[in-house]
Amino acid sequence: SQKIEQNSEALNIQEGKTATLTCNYTNYSPAYLQWYRQDPGRGPVFLLLIRENEKEKRKERLKVTFDTTLKQSLFHITASQPADSATYLCALPPWGNTGKLIFGQGTTLQVKP
Amino acid sequence: DAGVIQSPRHEVTEMGQEVTLRCKPISGHNSLFWYRQTMMRGLELLIYFNNNVPIDDSGMPEDRFSAKMPNASFSTLKIQPSEPRDSAVYFCASSPPGQPYYGYTFGSGTRLTVV
Repeated sequence: SQKIEQNSEALNIQEGKTATLTCNYTNYSPAYLQWYRQDPGRGPVFLLLIRENEKEKRKERLKVTFDTTLKQSLFHITASQPADSATYLCALPPWGNTGKLIFGQGTTLQVKP
Repeated sequence: DAGVIQSPRHEVTEMGQEVTLRCKPISGHNSLFWYRQTMMRGLELLIYFNNNVPIDDSGMPEDRFSAKMPNASFSTLKIQPSEPRDSAVYFCASSPPGQPYYGYTFGSGTRLTVV
C-alpha cells in the first residue's frame, strides 16, 4: 500500500529564512499531490496542488516541487514569518483511486522572530 | 460561505454509550469525507460519499462505526457502543465537482473523549 513519509521532527528556522519541508512516498507515483496547513485545534486548509507532469508550482511565497523519479515533493516557504508556524501535511491519492486522499503525518514548522 | 460545519465541537462520553457526530458540507460540494486524527496514526480516512452515496468505507474500523448521508446537506457518523480507543478528533471534509484540483475543505473537527 502507498506510504507517505514526512519528517516527524519539528523544523525550527529564523524569520526571513526559507523553510523546506519534505514529502516522500513509496510504490507508485500519483497523478497529483496536495499540500495542506493545519493550525492547532483546526482542520487542515488546502494550499496547493501539483500534478505529475508539473515540476514546480508557485503561489505567493510558497513553492512546491514534484520529482516522480525520486518519489518526492518539496514544499518551500520563502521569507518565512512567525505566522507561518503550523503543521504542514502532504496528501495524495492511493493507487487506482483519485477520489480520496491519504495524508502524511505532517511536519511542524516553527518560525522564530 | 460558513464553510463545513461540524457539531458538537467537543464530546465526552462514557464507554458503551452511543455517540453521533454531525456534519454540514459546503453547498454545491458533492463529495464528503470523514477522517479521524490521532497523534499515533495521523489523519485516517474512514468513509467517503459521492452524491450522497457511500463509495468507500474500507477505513471504517469495525461494525461499531456507521455513517449516513441522507441528503446533500447533512451527514452523520455514529459510534455504538463507544470505547476509549475511539478517542480522537473526527473531521468532516467536502469537495466540489472537479476535485482534486480544488482540494478539500475541512470542518473544525469534533474532539471525542471516551472515558
